[in-house]
Amino acid sequence: AQRVTQPEKLLSVFKGAPVELKCNYSYSGSPELFWYVQYSRQRLQLLLRHISRESIKGFTADLNKGETSFHLKKPFAQEEDSAMYYCALSGISGYSTLTFGKGTMLLVSP
Amino acid sequence: GAGVSQSPSNKVTEKGKDVELRCDPISGHTALYWYRQRLGQGLEFLIYFQGNSAPDKSGLPSDRFSAERTGESVSTLTIQRTQQEDSAVYLCASSLDYPQGDKNIQYFGAGTRLSVL
Repeated sequence: AQRVTQPEKLLSVFKGAPVELKCNYSYSGSPELFWYVQYSRQRLQLLLRHISRESIKGFTADLNKGETSFHLKKPFAQEEDSAMYYCALSGISGYSTLTFGKGTMLLVSP
Repeated sequence: GAGVSQSPSNKVTEKGKDVELRCDPISGHTALYWYRQRLGQGLEFLIYFQGNSAPDKSGLPSDRFSAERTGESVSTLTIQRTQQEDSAVYLCASSLDYPQGDKNIQYFGAGTRLSVL
């Protein structure tokens, strides 16, 4: 069974501090990993995916297959980064759907 | 339309009543998903439509929950004999599907907030 674990419900940091949102997964195979974000009063939307290997809004995430992790990082948090972040996993089956973690609320204080 | 549209945005109902939630996906998106988001919980997968058929309905929590999709467009999620534990935000998402596109890039609606009194 595939599972995504986000151990922190809430992460509170000051503006300019580094941020790391943790995500661990369980999957017997080679999954695809994603981070989705929901800003206040906005819809849930894709932030980034591991196969793109790109930085979005200063965020990066590296898939570590040895540690089965896909942590989301940003060196200097901004107040506008405050949002709910969901890590998600997809298997390789054509019928495979996204499995989401429970989410981590990031609060960036001035 | 420009995005995924869900209606109603809010629904308050009495325990035991049936409710119907509607989702209009992005035009051309063949894949459609329903999720449930309870307060303080993550996204809980309910059902996935590929066209008008549902290859994965494993997330439906009980036989009180059903969903259908017609014309590869609109979908309705029906909850019969609602219970207080059904109170949640119900989210719909749509995506392209293989081979036209990547079903993992899902576009979400604003959700329907259901409150069962």
